[in-house]
Amino acid sequence: EAGVAQSPRYKIIEKRQSVAFWCNPISGHATLYWYQQILGQGPKLLIQFQNNGVVDDSQLPKDRFSAERLKGVDSTLKIQPAKLEDSAVYLCASSLSPGGHYEQYFGPGTRLTVT
Amino acid sequence: AQSVTQLGSHVSVSEGALVLLRCNYSSSVPPYLFWYVQYPNQGLQLLLKYTSAATLVKGINGFEAEFKKSETSFHLTKPSAHMSDAAEYFCAVSLVQYSSASKIIFGSGTRLSIRP
Repeated sequence: EAGVAQSPRYKIIEKRQSVAFWCNPISGHATLYWYQQILGQGPKLLIQFQNNGVVDDSQLPKDRFSAERLKGVDSTLKIQPAKLEDSAVYLCASSLSPGGHYEQYFGPGTRLTVT
Repeated sequence: AQSVTQLGSHVSVSEGALVLLRCNYSSSVPPYLFWYVQYPNQGLQLLLKYTSAATLVKGINGFEAEFKKSETSFHLTKPSAHMSDAAEYFCAVSLVQYSSASKIIFGSGTRLSIRP
């Protein structure tokens, strides 16, 4: 089966610019996650969707970050305006169900550099 | 609150030697525990998971981990390291938020290097 797809793989922008990342989860996976992974740290959950509804966005900086999953499949994460501290790898993951024991499948990530 | 602590940000072993990566967790309820591996410029891949069945869990690529409740540990081992094992390893605990949702808390990671 096809894995989680993400694009672009790399992005370089200047601070205060906007950027958007796209994710296509594994077919049939109802739950989708966006993580931020800063260099030298583990991934940190930004937002979790169940179908097209938000389950958890408690760690999403809502003044500048937004995400949507309109048809319960693809998802887009946006940053507007970007700050230097947003430089990180943004990982998308999906799972069959939100239950705690279900494996999350990760995409390759988008490496964002803000200059 | 659930949390994960990985002891040692960098571990280096010789090829053929034992690999031991340490993970301690904090959880108020029986946890689900995971080990993920991340190769350079790739996403995370599940190595193994503990879901309250057998305490010794076998995973892919010859790795295994043992759940020890008394020590709140879930250390990852492999009897004989291979050059291809060089990667970043993350221990994680699943936090059940409510009946229909959970989220994973990741440790800070351990970079494993293999010496020829």
